[in-house]
Amino acid sequence: TQLLEQSPQFLSIQEGENLTVYCNSSSVFSSLQWYRQEPGEGPVLLVTVVTGGEVKKLKRLTFQFGDARKDSSLHITAAQPGDTGLYLCAGGGKLIFGQGTELSVKP
Amino acid sequence: NAGVMQNPRHLVRRRGQEARLRCSPMKGHSHVYWYRQLPEEGLKFMVYLQKENIIDESGMPKERFSAEFPKEGPSILRIQQVVRGDSAAYFCASSPSPTDEQYFGPGTRLTVT
Repeated sequence: TQLLEQSPQFLSIQEGENLTVYCNSSSVFSSLQWYRQEPGEGPVLLVTVVTGGEVKKLKRLTFQFGDARKDSSLHITAAQPGDTGLYLCAGGGKLIFGQGTELSVKP
Repeated sequence: NAGVMQNPRHLVRRRGQEARLRCSPMKGHSHVYWYRQLPEEGLKFMVYLQKENIIDESGMPKERFSAEFPKEGPSILRIQQVVRGDSAAYFCASSPSPTDEQYFGPGTRLTVT
């Protein structure tokens, strides 16, 4: 059974700080997606990583896919209160989700 | 291009009643997925449908739950004789093909009283 484990589960930081969220598995995934979910809403797709070692940037967000395609990370530079939300990694055809990282950025 | 639409956004049912959740996929998407998000749990896959066909229902409870995606109209997730444990957020996602990214709707929050 494929599983995705995210860490940390909760993260509370001050505006301007940097942070990294990790998504790990013992299984190989052909691709991994990162979503962001706000309270009362559905997950919104941020990025898909496909190639081992791939790095994608989305403004202040940097996503990396591990060389072996078993793990991924999300790095946020100079976090802002608008970055607050639940960050989810997911993979597979019928998506398997990590348990999520609840990020709170305080002004 | 309108996104995935779900209705109702909130649904309250008493134990034993039926709940019908609707999902209209994005234009051009013929693949629909339903997921459930329980309190304290992550998003879990329930069922995958293509027009008029159930492709994979391995995540759906065997009893009381059913799903359809007719040739015309939205996909429907139906829960019969609801129980308190069915209270959750139900999300629909769609994609143009099984290997493409999935886009989620805003969800239906079901509360069983």
